[in-house]
Amino acid sequence: EDQVTQSPEALRLQEGESSSLNCSYTVSGLRGLFWYRQDPGKGPEFLFTLYSAGEEKEKERLKATLTKKESFLHITAPKPEDSATYLCAVPSSGGSYIPTFGRGTSLIVHP
Amino acid sequence: NAGVTQTPKFQVLKTGQSMTLQCAQDMNHNSMYWYRQDPGMGLRLIYYSASEGTTDKGEVPNGYNVSRLNKREFSLRLESAAPSQTSVYFCASSQQGRGGYTFGSGTRLTVV
Repeated sequence: EDQVTQSPEALRLQEGESSSLNCSYTVSGLRGLFWYRQDPGKGPEFLFTLYSAGEEKEKERLKATLTKKESFLHITAPKPEDSATYLCAVPSSGGSYIPTFGRGTSLIVHP
Repeated sequence: NAGVTQTPKFQVLKTGQSMTLQCAQDMNHNSMYWYRQDPGMGLRLIYYSASEGTTDKGEVPNGYNVSRLNKREFSLRLESAAPSQTSVYFCASSQQGRGGYTFGSGTRLTVV
């Protein structure tokens, strides 16, 4: 069974305090791993797609990396506007392309 | 802007009432999905449509029905609403077999 586990569930940081969020997955034949940002009351917003181990993607203060078992979302010198829930997802290993989502990490950055 | 449009944004129903949530995408995506999101439970798949003319059950289909009206539109129907269906509902779409998923802004449903 495909599984996606995110940790920690919640993270509080001071502005400027860098940290990392983790997404571990068990799926055979990875066809991509996706990171999303979700603000309260809104739908998930796409951030990154990673396809192969060793791949990295960057956007402003965020950098996503991928290994064969997990992905990290590194947040460098975060600002309060980075506060959100971050979700990761992988498509199923079967014939369909159904995404399995982790439960997310709720990030709060204090000024 | 291109994307996924959901209507309505908010709805309050009485137990036993029925309603249909509408979803439309203009990105020419093949696949469409309905999720519900509850505190502590994450996103759970209700139904999906891999391509026009097909629909399949997801993780939590009981109490729901769907219709893939055409390539653009995928609706979710609650025939007899129950308080347990109080949730935020999201529609999403993707190009079958590749790429990421694009989400709508959600429908917040309360059943009293």
